[in-house]
Amino acid sequence: DGGITQSPKYLFRKEGQNVTLSCEQNLNHDAMYWYRQDPGQGLRLIYYSQIVNDFQKGDIAEGYSVSREKKESFPLTVTSAQKNPTAFYLCASRPRGSFYGYTFGSGTRLTVV
Amino acid sequence: AQTVTQSQPEMSVQEAETVTLSCTYDTSENNYYLFWYKQPPSRQMILVIRQEAYKQQNATENRFSVNFQKAAKSFSLKISDSQLGDTAMYFCAFMSITGANSKLTFGKGITLSVRP
Repeated sequence: DGGITQSPKYLFRKEGQNVTLSCEQNLNHDAMYWYRQDPGQGLRLIYYSQIVNDFQKGDIAEGYSVSREKKESFPLTVTSAQKNPTAFYLCASRPRGSFYGYTFGSGTRLTVV
Repeated sequence: AQTVTQSQPEMSVQEAETVTLSCTYDTSENNYYLFWYKQPPSRQMILVIRQEAYKQQNATENRFSVNFQKAAKSFSLKISDSQLGDTAMYFCAFMSITGANSKLTFGKGITLSVRP
């Protein structure tokens, strides 16, 4: 079945460490997105990519980095520069030119310990 | 930039009754799409309903319908015959159709509890 796989489901990070969240899709979608969800804040856009080897900053990109070396994969790295990384992270994708919304992954809960 | 406002953080409804969730948005564009997403306790985002701004007819999906008021920039979701499984967080979202970089802008969400 086609879909988006995010891993791991839960992730713990020590302060000062970088950590990478995985997002893989087999839907042949061109565009991929990373959102952060905090209580009372809704979903805020971190980074997005419309095509391989290209990506743009969203509204809260500071302290994060991404890559898009393959169409299927859009990993998100939470760097030590991100001061408050504890949150729920959602990856999503959509076909180019589609306005039917996104397909979402099941999310990764990141906790700084 | 577009903004989406959901001013009610929480609502509660008795099972089998009807509830309306409010959403307003701000944009200078004329053509766009609006969405309601549901996020149950599993945290999986599920598309509930979608409205095209150039269509005057309100979208409906079974027990879910919207009241789209373009001039007022209002997009409310009505859930009829509420069921326990409707308990979830609901997000209103806006998508522009201008350019190739169409992104979803979300409201802060509303937590809906359905009481047995």
